[in-house]
Amino acid sequence: AQTVTQSQPEMSVQEAETVTLSCTYDTSENNYYLFWYKQPPSRQMILVIRQEAYKQQNATENRFSVNFQKAAKSFSLKISDSQLGDTAMYFCAFMMNRAGNMLTFGGGTRLMVKP
Amino acid sequence: DGGITQSPKYLFRKEGQNVTLSCEQNLNHDAMYWYRQDPGQGLRLIYYSQIVNDFQKGDIAEGYSVSREKKESFPLTVTSAQKNPTAFYLCASSINVGTYEQYFGPGTRLTVT
Repeated sequence: AQTVTQSQPEMSVQEAETVTLSCTYDTSENNYYLFWYKQPPSRQMILVIRQEAYKQQNATENRFSVNFQKAAKSFSLKISDSQLGDTAMYFCAFMMNRAGNMLTFGGGTRLMVKP
Repeated sequence: DGGITQSPKYLFRKEGQNVTLSCEQNLNHDAMYWYRQDPGQGLRLIYYSQIVNDFQKGDIAEGYSVSREKKESFPLTVTSAQKNPTAFYLCASSINVGTYEQYFGPGTRLTVT
């Protein structure tokens, strides 16, 4: 079974600064996807960024980037130029590349961006 | 507008009653999913359906049932056998089983007293 661990229950960052959220996972699979989802106070789950395990290049989406270390099974999220609207719960998630496409989520990190 | 709708946003029930949560999508997606979220925790998969008239149990299916009679609809019934039904329930869909991106609905907060 796959497990996803987020070791930082809560974090805070000053507006305009950079913050990194950690995620580790455990799997014996070789083909899989990794995701970061954002859940703001509205509780709507929003996909922030995704990474295919077969790609060595780290994914980037505007101010969001990941540091994917496949051998270490680590998948951290870096948020640059933090904005007040980034305040949310952030969930790391894992998906095997096979039928069903079920997501396994970590426990989440609550990020507070301070003005 | 295309998307996933869940109704109602808040639902209250007495213990011992079955309750059905609605999930509708107009994205023409084949696959649909139900997740449960407890306070301060990540999402856990309850059931998923890859195609009409077919569905599979997820990690925490006990006390829940689903149906998939129409492509656009995937209702979840929380039965009286579910020991701790109070939670936030999220529905999601994806184009098909070969794609990885899941789109989420706004969720339903169920409170059972």
